[in-house]
Amino acid sequence: AQSVTQLGSHVSVSEGALVLLRCNYSSSVPPYLFWYVQYPNQGLQLLLKYTTGATLVKGINGFEAEFKKSETSFHLTKPSAHMSDAAEYFCAVLGGTSYGKLTFGQGTILTVHP
Amino acid sequence: ETGVTQSPTHLIKTRGQQVTLRCSSQSGHNTVSWYQQALGQGPQFIFQYYREEENGRGNFPPRFSGLQFPNYSSELNVNALELDDSALYLCASSLAASGGYNEQFFGPGTRLTVL
Repeated sequence: AQSVTQLGSHVSVSEGALVLLRCNYSSSVPPYLFWYVQYPNQGLQLLLKYTTGATLVKGINGFEAEFKKSETSFHLTKPSAHMSDAAEYFCAVLGGTSYGKLTFGQGTILTVHP
Repeated sequence: ETGVTQSPTHLIKTRGQQVTLRCSSQSGHNTVSWYQQALGQGPQFIFQYYREEENGRGNFPPRFSGLQFPNYSSELNVNALELDDSALYLCASSLAASGGYNEQFFGPGTRLTVL
């Protein structure tokens, strides 16, 4: 079975500051890992994904994440926050099944202050 | 290329009623997954349909059922609505292929409120 824990339900940063959203996962098989962003009253948009290969993955809007197997982590970072980054972010894991069941974390709301 | 669409956008029902939510998959996609997102929570997998058959189910009771049509659009039906069914229901479509990962593209969701 897979599970995802996002540390911190709310994160607040100043515009231009580093964004760090934490995600730890549990999976009995090599995982596929994802970060999604959700703006108010909208669906989920894929930011980036790790499937195989390079452990540092780059996504849209300047976000990146690093898969660390030894730490079972997949933290999301962005060097410089922008006001438009304010949203809710979800980490998700896929693995060990023959179909596409995504298991999501509880989400982290990112607030960006001017 | 048309993305995933869902209807209606909002819906209000009373406890005990039945509801049908609809999803049109992205052009070329043959698989539809449904998720329930309660307020303040992450989405939870309900079930997936592939080639008109259920292809996996999460921890939801049988009163949650679905259909997939030959054009790959889908319906989610919920019978005997309960207050806890109030949530955002998300549909995601993908193109299933042998092996590997098939990216899921999400629709905007249907907000269901049960009174």
